[in-house]
Amino acid sequence: QLTQSPSSLSASVGDKVTITCRASQVISSYLAWYQQKPGKAPKLLIYGASTLQSGVPSRFSGSGSGTDFTLTISSLQPEDFATYYCQQLNSYPPITFGQGTRLEIK
Amino acid sequence: EVQLVESGGGLVKPGRSLRLSCSASGFTFSRYSMNWVRQAPGKGLEWVAYISETSRTIYYADSVKGRFTISRDNAKNSLYLQMNSLRDEDTAVYYCAGDPDTPHLRVFEYWGQGALVTVSS
Repeated sequence: QLTQSPSSLSASVGDKVTITCRASQVISSYLAWYQQKPGKAPKLLIYGASTLQSGVPSRFSGSGSGTDFTLTISSLQPEDFATYYCQQLNSYPPITFGQGTRLEIK
Repeated sequence: EVQLVESGGGLVKPGRSLRLSCSASGFTFSRYSMNWVRQAPGKGLEWVAYISETSRTIYYADSVKGRFTISRDNAKNSLYLQMNSLRDEDTAVYYCAGDPDTPHLRVFEYWGQGALVTVSS
């Protein structure tokens, strides 16, 4: 089970934002982060807990190990307002997603 | 360009069946494990089913086990989801997603645009 926090967040352009994902048991590095905009498919941002997917801006970063992981956006841009999900693929079935964090404009 | 294109969604009555397809192009389909993920209206992502590259290994979420069947045809670069005994709570957008599924890399790298399944009388 993955628990994301916060479930929603209001921030301004230029802010630094951190989203946390906590696993109920130790998982290795099979932790990914996705961004989803309304009406669109999820988009891969980070895999292996900290590896940036090709083409994803460097303001996105991931860190963590064991049970605690974070997604950080260093300087929010207008296009970053979306919902973010973490996902574990360490032990399945089931493959699990966090409940999502909705990032809104303040 | 990588493309995953789902088809077969629509409106169906409870208890009936529906088959989703996902057509892949732009990558080596036979080297990727494949998954179905769904998203109910206004809700989060829910993994539904997994099939390995050779179809040897298959997993289902408990919520669909015994009702849904995942399959693939590598010769046709296609993934399928046969959904039987549909329930209202199966209403969702269904995405297919590809995973390189190697010892060093597991991630849903590629996603389709989604197919809407509405179960309603």
